[in-house]
Amino acid sequence: NAGVTQTPKFQVLKTGQSMTLQCAQDMNHEYMSWYRQDPGMGLRLIHYSVGAGITDQGEVPNGYNVSRSTTEDFPLRLLSAAPSQTSVYFCASSPLRGSGELFFGEGSRLTVL
Amino acid sequence: DAKTTQPTSMDCAEGRAANLPCNHSTISGNEYVYWYRQIHSQGPQYIIHGLKNNETNEMASLIITEDRKSSTLILPHATLRDTAVYYCIVRVSAGGYQKVTFGIGTKLQVIP
Repeated sequence: NAGVTQTPKFQVLKTGQSMTLQCAQDMNHEYMSWYRQDPGMGLRLIHYSVGAGITDQGEVPNGYNVSRSTTEDFPLRLLSAAPSQTSVYFCASSPLRGSGELFFGEGSRLTVL
Repeated sequence: DAKTTQPTSMDCAEGRAANLPCNHSTISGNEYVYWYRQIHSQGPQYIIHGLKNNETNEMASLIITEDRKSSTLILPHATLRDTAVYYCIVRVSAGGYQKVTFGIGTKLQVIP
């Protein structure tokens, strides 16, 4: 059971480039979300989804797009990367029934030059 | 989801109990208190959660005040491996609208 898998683990981009951070979970969780973590800022919610075809904005959505075409995958897209998006990104999933525990991936460290 | 307030940092001697407080004065009746911890740069890890009764598992105990406006996470015998950032959040357990936000958390340093 892999849990929540994030790829890539490390990425360096130039300003203006686009890329997609991948997140996949094999636990059939309805809820999935993306957070970014910057020094001294804790975890900030970017976007989240409560099921396939349903997404919504979190605290810091600007500059990021998401889609949820399947239960398993929740990719995060940066259309035109900026240095302010240099951060560590975490994907998390949770069932909508039961304990409500969030399961986190190992993180993706992104540097935008 | 309700907001929480935690101290920025705490120290605890190895082998002693670590008591981490959290205020959540605007918690709603259907919201649970959850605790997570993040060791170094790893993804956060679930520790425990509760509604209004005290809870205990193999990792920690959770004490929630009767008015539910605050709680305390207790690590009974802290070890160096417990050095981490601890997050207290409140949220609906399951089945509801699921916008889950985290604060800055408490950085716990366990001292040898």
